Amino acid sequence: SQQGEEDPQALSIQEGENATMNCSYKTSINNLQWYRQNSGRGLVHLILIRSNEREKHSGRLRVTLDTSKKSSSLLITASRAADTASYFCATDAITGGYNKLIFGAGTRLAVHP
Amino acid sequence: DAGVIQSPRHEVTEMGQEVTLRCKPISGHNSLFWYRQTMMRGLELLIYFNNNVPIDDSGMPEDRFSAKMPNASFSTLKIQPSEPRDSAVYFCASSSSHVEETQYFGPGTRLLVL
Repeated sequence: SQQGEEDPQALSIQEGENATMNCSYKTSINNLQWYRQNSGRGLVHLILIRSNEREKHSGRLRVTLDTSKKSSSLLITASRAADTASYFCATDAITGGYNKLIFGAGTRLAVHP
Repeated sequence: DAGVIQSPRHEVTEMGQEVTLRCKPISGHNSLFWYRQTMMRGLELLIYFNNNVPIDDSGMPEDRFSAKMPNASFSTLKIQPSEPRDSAVYFCASSSSHVEETQYFGPGTRLLVL
């Protein structure tokens, strides 16, 4: 199983609603990041939260981190059609003796006008 | 800044041919990453360079894959010979700091091997 796993795999909402995506991970981390990927494009960094932080805001984004539960959530408030994209969490993990950034499988968000 | 630049954006080739993907990282970044994205396996790290030196190539699938970074502003990922299972989107990313810090992704190269 993966270091970071998002839930749900897909989410469909109406414009104006809030969207919540969750990420769970398995090992201790230094930080956790959320990225967005529009169809056919590269990933874009949204927000980074460090292991000693519990909550972070950036515009309409709110990220929480619970290291005791090894989980994080990304909340997008007042969603817009332009928020339609895949959202990935990424955590650092040591595998094979190397520190890597491990990406989850992503949550596909569809925001309908 | 133009961001991470990758070329070509699309590549269609036949099985057995050599494929070379190119990447120009953001100026001043000292870490460069090559990733592969497929529906089945998601986003996988292939190789990581720091200060032009390969640090972790444990994700490189097999000897058919090789990567170089001759200087701080250029890297290549080569597949020779290519196979249909190599079809994927290949991303290059760069970072100004350590592996666990923010990475900036290029637009990707969509590779199709027939």
